Amino acid sequence: GQNIDQPTEMTATEGAIVQINCTYQTSGFNGLFWYQQHAGEAPTFLSYNVLDGLEEKGRFSSFLSRSKGYSYLLLKELQMKDSASYLCAVDTGGFKTIFGAGTRLFVKA
Amino acid sequence: SAVISQKPSRDICQRGTSLTIQCQVDSQVTMMFWYRQQPGQSLTLIATANQGSEATYESGFVIDKFPISRPNLTFSTLTVSNMSPEDSSIYLCSVEGSGYEQYFGPGTRLTVT
Repeated sequence: GQNIDQPTEMTATEGAIVQINCTYQTSGFNGLFWYQQHAGEAPTFLSYNVLDGLEEKGRFSSFLSRSKGYSYLLLKELQMKDSASYLCAVDTGGFKTIFGAGTRLFVKA
Repeated sequence: SAVISQKPSRDICQRGTSLTIQCQVDSQVTMMFWYRQQPGQSLTLIATANQGSEATYESGFVIDKFPISRPNLTFSTLTVSNMSPEDSSIYLCSVEGSGYEQYFGPGTRLTVT
């Protein structure tokens, strides 16, 4: 079966660092996405990891371990505007992407 | 990046009726995708729509319930037929970007009473 797990909610303080974990078990794997979705808005692309390791893009970094079926999204210097849902999604091939339920992040002052 | 618009942005419909959702892209794309996002749930792929061919539906979704049209490379429609309250959801269309990412439309929030 296809399974993507990530925490339902997290809370962090403005200026801090937060790590959102994602584990997956899928029948195919080409790569792993992270998307950000603000309430009432469409998801927007953050990152795509194909190879193991950490990829940094400004305040956001994404890590992948294919052997462990594990990824995380690291957000540094948190800002209030980072309050949103973060969706982990697996590109299983054949133009099919499977999404996790999302982690709702609350950033407090 | 692609700019995607959807109509309507939201609607309240009575059970047993049908609603057609339109998706317009500002550039020509080969594949368009239709997703459903129920409250607090993940995005679930309904079908993939290629221009000039029948849509490909995912397990649990059938053409009679969710007919899709793809008349050209910038436009698609999804119809939610014979609606029930369980169809209340957000429906999103998306297209692939130049890399592997997807760009999503703003969504159509459907409430069935």
